[in-house]
Amino acid sequence: DADVTQTPRNRITKTGKRIMLECSQTKGHDRMYWYRQDPGLGLRLIYYSFDVKDINKGEISDGYSVSRQAQAKFSLSLESAIPNQTALYFCATSDWERTEAFFGQGTRLTVV
Amino acid sequence: AQSVTQLGSHVSVSEGALVLLRCNYSSSVPPYLFWYVQYPNQGLQLLLKYTSAATLVKGINGFEAEFKKSETSFHLTKPSAHMSDAAEYFCAVIEGNQGGKLIFGQGTELSVKP
Repeated sequence: DADVTQTPRNRITKTGKRIMLECSQTKGHDRMYWYRQDPGLGLRLIYYSFDVKDINKGEISDGYSVSRQAQAKFSLSLESAIPNQTALYFCATSDWERTEAFFGQGTRLTVV
Repeated sequence: AQSVTQLGSHVSVSEGALVLLRCNYSSSVPPYLFWYVQYPNQGLQLLLKYTSAATLVKGINGFEAEFKKSETSFHLTKPSAHMSDAAEYFCAVIEGNQGGKLIFGQGTELSVKP
């Protein structure tokens, strides 16, 4: 089983719909991150959490919200999806800043 | 705040040629620096990292990078490219005492020609 699991892997949704992307990890890490990847823009940080009670906005949090349900689970929500949120979304975990981050396989989201 | 700039969104080399992917960072305190690779339809995996130990860092698959504080650079090199090196490469930075946000550059797509 993968250390970082994202569900769903692919999703097509309509403008205005609410959608949740889920991430779970078996690494036992405290830190979890959500990024979106767009061609030519690299990975941009949406939200990050350093423990269950610590949630922080990243570079591009507008239009997104998150929930850290447990140490192992970190969900990203789009309350009202819009087409420019079409992207590849990655969840990642790390135990502290000096170590590597482990990434999920990504969720390809298309908003039509 | 920290930032990362990767020079060149696309780099093309011939098989067997030197690979050089450029990364410059901005950080007000000593950074931790990383290179990640993304193969098609996959997530990211770590190639190598610099965390204030040796300035020349060796990673997987024959890649290495050198931290140059005076140039604020952390360029990735490999002496001889293989076809299997074709992928997208990301440089990333964490500012040493700023709570550990991992910030990525824009990525460089490496193509390897036969």
